[in-house]
Amino acid sequence: EIVLTQSPGTLSLSPGERATLSCRASQSVSHNFLAWYQQKPGQAPRLLIYGASSRATGTPDRFSGSGSGTDFTLTISRLEPEDFAVYYCHQYGGSPLTFGGGTQVEIK
Amino acid sequence: QITLKESGPTLVKPTQTLTLTCTFSGFSSTTDGVGVGWIRQPPGKALEWLGISYWNGDMRYNPSLNSRLTLTKDTSKNQVVLTLTNMEYVDTATYYCVHRGLGLPFQYWGQGTLVTVSS
Repeated sequence: EIVLTQSPGTLSLSPGERATLSCRASQSVSHNFLAWYQQKPGQAPRLLIYGASSRATGTPDRFSGSGSGTDFTLTISRLEPEDFAVYYCHQYGGSPLTFGGGTQVEIK
Repeated sequence: QITLKESGPTLVKPTQTLTLTCTFSGFSSTTDGVGVGWIRQPPGKALEWLGISYWNGDMRYNPSLNSRLTLTKDTSKNQVVLTLTNMEYVDTATYYCVHRGLGLPFQYWGQGTLVTVSS
């Protein structure tokens, strides 16, 4: 099983600042099948990034994904008020499919 | 437009069996590469993949569930049914039905249904 470790657990930032979220895999993610989701309270997760760096339909271009192998990053270039949420990474290249523990981006 | 919706009990007792139904529309579960799966999230905790039913009849399960989970697909009704036996307090969670396409992650999610395990 591929274990995904996200850091930091909580990120306290102000609107307009840059956010950098990390996701580290315990072994290489096949085909870089790594996705990022955003979840707000009371809502289902929303797909932002797939294939490590491809934006899903409707994802603003301030969100970007990078990385390969075992180290992946989600960057939000300038935080908007609606971006404060929990973010999960997810590998879908190998079974069992797994998720990271999440990073909460909160308003400082 | 792809939609998925979960239905079933909101409260089950310990040792009972949970049955949840995912009813979907906007796609065919027999289209190459399509999978309909289940993911759960305990209150305040992270997401956990449970299992998936693929277009070709293949079923995959999370080994952590120790063979408690069974998925069945009814193509004629556009449904995938989750059966989880021997429910425990730790199974309290919001259960989501999800869709994935070929080579893609879970893009479409149901609204989720909260299932509480309590005596």
